[in-house]
Amino acid sequence: GESVGLHLPTLSVQEGDNSIINCAYSNSASDYFIWYKQESGKGPQFIIDIRSNMDKRQGQRVTVLLNKTVKHLSLQIAATQPGDSAVYFCAETPAPSGAGSYQLTFGKGTKLSVIP
Amino acid sequence: DGGITQSPKYLFRKEGQNVTLSCEQNLNHDAMYWYRQDPGQGLRLIYYSQIVNDFQKGDIAEGYSVSREKKESFPLTVTSAQKNPTAFYLCASRGPGQGASDYTFGSGTRLTVV
Repeated sequence: GESVGLHLPTLSVQEGDNSIINCAYSNSASDYFIWYKQESGKGPQFIIDIRSNMDKRQGQRVTVLLNKTVKHLSLQIAATQPGDSAVYFCAETPAPSGAGSYQLTFGKGTKLSVIP
Repeated sequence: DGGITQSPKYLFRKEGQNVTLSCEQNLNHDAMYWYRQDPGQGLRLIYYSQIVNDFQKGDIAEGYSVSREKKESFPLTVTSAQKNPTAFYLCASRGPGQGASDYTFGSGTRLTVV
């Protein structure tokens, strides 16, 4: 079946360095991609999203890149801080259609550890 | 403040028992969702409801049941038919006219079978 997954389960970076978290997806009908941050024992928090008609989108200290040719999504975090330590998930959804609209399919997550 | 409240935060279940997880939202959202999260895994959809008195099975509905009698509430019952219920359960909601990026998640309930 089609799925969304991540290349690396864990990532350790030095405080102040940039972090890159990767995600591969296989559903060619995916229209919307979202990155979530989940801290231990809490629900996911929205970070940034991108539509399939875009290649890049920037937020505050975060950038999402989408390469539709190879079905690859990445999240870049600039000047990583200890508070960025968490598990990061990508999620995707196809274009809305009917009652099942906007259902999310999640990847398995990458744990980011920031070394002070 | 508006948000989603899940209770309890921790729940222990004996083998063969049914347990019900509470999810309440005061965001006036129509759509509500239940996800299951296992260690080192992403979230998997159990059930969802787009409107009061209506709900649909997700990818892993077997052994679970839900009800949506009120807009604010979407309780999940983990039945004895669910053979491996130990997991972290997350409830989410999404408002009318909102898209995929507009999910609001609760803080979760951690269920353990003892």
